[in-house]
Amino acid sequence: AQKITQTQPGMFVQEKEAVTLDCTYDTSDPSYGLFWYKQPSSGEMIFLIYQGSYDQQNATEGRYSLNFQKARKSANLVISASQLGDSAMYFCAMRVSYNQGGKLIFGQGTELSVKP
Amino acid sequence: EAQVTQNPRYLITVTGKKLTVTCSQNMNHEYMSWYRQDPGLGLRQIYYSMNVEVTDKGDVPEGYKVSRKEKRNFPLILESPSPNQTSLYFCASSVGQHLYEQYFGPGTRLTVT
Repeated sequence: AQKITQTQPGMFVQEKEAVTLDCTYDTSDPSYGLFWYKQPSSGEMIFLIYQGSYDQQNATEGRYSLNFQKARKSANLVISASQLGDSAMYFCAMRVSYNQGGKLIFGQGTELSVKP
Repeated sequence: EAQVTQNPRYLITVTGKKLTVTCSQNMNHEYMSWYRQDPGLGLRQIYYSMNVEVTDKGDVPEGYKVSRKEKRNFPLILESPSPNQTSLYFCASSVGQHLYEQYFGPGTRLTVT
């Protein structure tokens, strides 16, 4: 079964510290993509970072990096130097083939709170 | 500005009263999709469309209908809403099925009493 699992419902981090949000996935499809989205309290979904299953290097976007461990089927998000504005819900998602189209399967989300 | 718009943003309605949530994108994207978000469940796909007149069911299609008569529009129809359809709904679009860049609308918060 194709599935995304985020085991941390909520996390706290001190401002300026780094934090890792866990994500594990399950798929038998050799071609897939992994995404992280941020959802602030205002509700919109903000794309953060993408990792393709064939990408050799871990993806990075500014303070965000994706720790991709293919053998372990994990795609953890690392946020360096946390800021108060990072407080939000974070979703890990996986793109899978679906009939002749693609779709995103989302995890349950992790609520991150950054403390000053 | 590239964007996906949804209307209404907030809606409170009663059981059984038909409603439509509109979704429109201005990026000429082929792929569009509807998701619902519920606490503890993340986002789940309701329906998706690969192009005009091409739609298919997602994971939770029961109680919903869609249509894709124009490339830019992908309305979500609830023929007879029920309280278990109270949720936050997102429309999204992308250039193709690879979803490398999927743009989300701002969301529609629906309450069915």
